[in-house]
Amino acid sequence: EDKVVQSPLSLVVHEGDTVTLNCSYEVTNFRSLLWYKQEKKAPTFLFMLTSSGIEKKSGRLSSILDKKELFSILNITATQTGDSAIYLCAVNQGAQKLVFGQGTRLTINP
Amino acid sequence: EAGVAQSPRYKIIEKRQSVAFWCNPISGHATLYWYQQILGQGPKLLIQFQNNGVVDDSQLPKDRFSAERLKGVDSTLKIQPAKLEDSAVYLCASSPRAWETQYFGPGTRLLVL
Repeated sequence: EDKVVQSPLSLVVHEGDTVTLNCSYEVTNFRSLLWYKQEKKAPTFLFMLTSSGIEKKSGRLSSILDKKELFSILNITATQTGDSAIYLCAVNQGAQKLVFGQGTRLTINP
Repeated sequence: EAGVAQSPRYKIIEKRQSVAFWCNPISGHATLYWYQQILGQGPKLLIQFQNNGVVDDSQLPKDRFSAERLKGVDSTLKIQPAKLEDSAVYLCASSPRAWETQYFGPGTRLLVL
């Protein structure tokens, strides 16, 4: 059975801290791995990763994929209260069929 | 560019009742997806349309769920009859083509009592 597992499920840190969110996967077909940020209800796209070892960056967020060990990490540096959200990892199995992990709920306290 | 629109935003019904959700994708997006997100879980794909044709409905509980996209633009998802375990957020997403990034709507939160 295809599965995507995220850890930790929940994380509470102080503003300014750096956090690392983990995503491991076991799927029959792998095309890419995506990270989404979900505030309130609608997930918003962050990154798409297809190649191992190439870091994607956007401001304070960065992500990298390891296709040999079947995992990805999402780093957020100098966290702000606006980073509080659920972060979802999803694997694209082709034709954008996404298998999502259960998400990591990140809370940033001032 | 307008985003994916969904309605209603919230719906409360009793078990065994029927309910329908509506989705209008981003203009020009050929691919449309319906997801079910139960509290504490990631979204689960229910059905994927390419224009007005079904690409994947393998996880759609077809005894009670149905979906259509008759003109290849907006779509409706129906549940009949609803069960308690259908309580969830129903997310609609669209992408320009099947292999491109999906954009999500705000979702409809359904509570079945």
